[in-house]
Amino acid sequence: EPEVTQTPSHQVTQMGQEVILRCVPISNHLYFYWYRQILGQKVEFLVSFYNNEISEKSEIFDDQFSVERPDGSNFTLKIRSTKLEDSAMYFCAGSDQSYNEQFFGPGTRLTVL
Amino acid sequence: GNSVTQMEGPVTLSEEAFLTINCTYTATGYPSLFWYVQYPGEGLQLLLKATKADDKGSNKGFEATYRKETTSFHLEKGSVQVSDSAVYFCALSASKIIFGSGTRLSIRP
Repeated sequence: EPEVTQTPSHQVTQMGQEVILRCVPISNHLYFYWYRQILGQKVEFLVSFYNNEISEKSEIFDDQFSVERPDGSNFTLKIRSTKLEDSAMYFCAGSDQSYNEQFFGPGTRLTVL
Repeated sequence: GNSVTQMEGPVTLSEEAFLTINCTYTATGYPSLFWYVQYPGEGLQLLLKATKADDKGSNKGFEATYRKETTSFHLEKGSVQVSDSAVYFCALSASKIIFGSGTRLSIRP
């Protein structure tokens, strides 16, 4: 059964450094998403991406964040200058239709020191 | 706006007990409703879904019925197992998934 994969599983970085989190969605999906979950809190929407552009973003997704799908396979989330409060589990998700169920990857745990 | 409210945890039950985790939602229109499960150290897995009023989603012995009149989607299981220990998230689908706060379930043998 096809699945969403994410790398790395755990990323440790220093405050102020740039990080790139990578995701490989299921091949026939067209809609892509990033969510995050701060330890012990709810899962929060960051951004949705369709047809090579952002379709919606939350207030969390500020100028420090960017997404791209550079090669039609990978879907990346970049944080330009990490802050302590960016420490969280980041989940990538995809779906074949908008408003449909989304399939989640296993997550990348980001720790900012 | 859209939101999901679910039962606070943690919930601790003995094996073979009956489980209910309450979930209510607020939404414009008629969203699809989901239960996702997160096992220790793992990501989010779709447990079950319902796409319209009165639909019942079911999987692995879990059930939930989409109740438009009470805006609810309560999760139930007749006899829980130790392997059901996990965090359960009620969610609705708008242009994005909106999650409840999660309910941690622990089952003791």
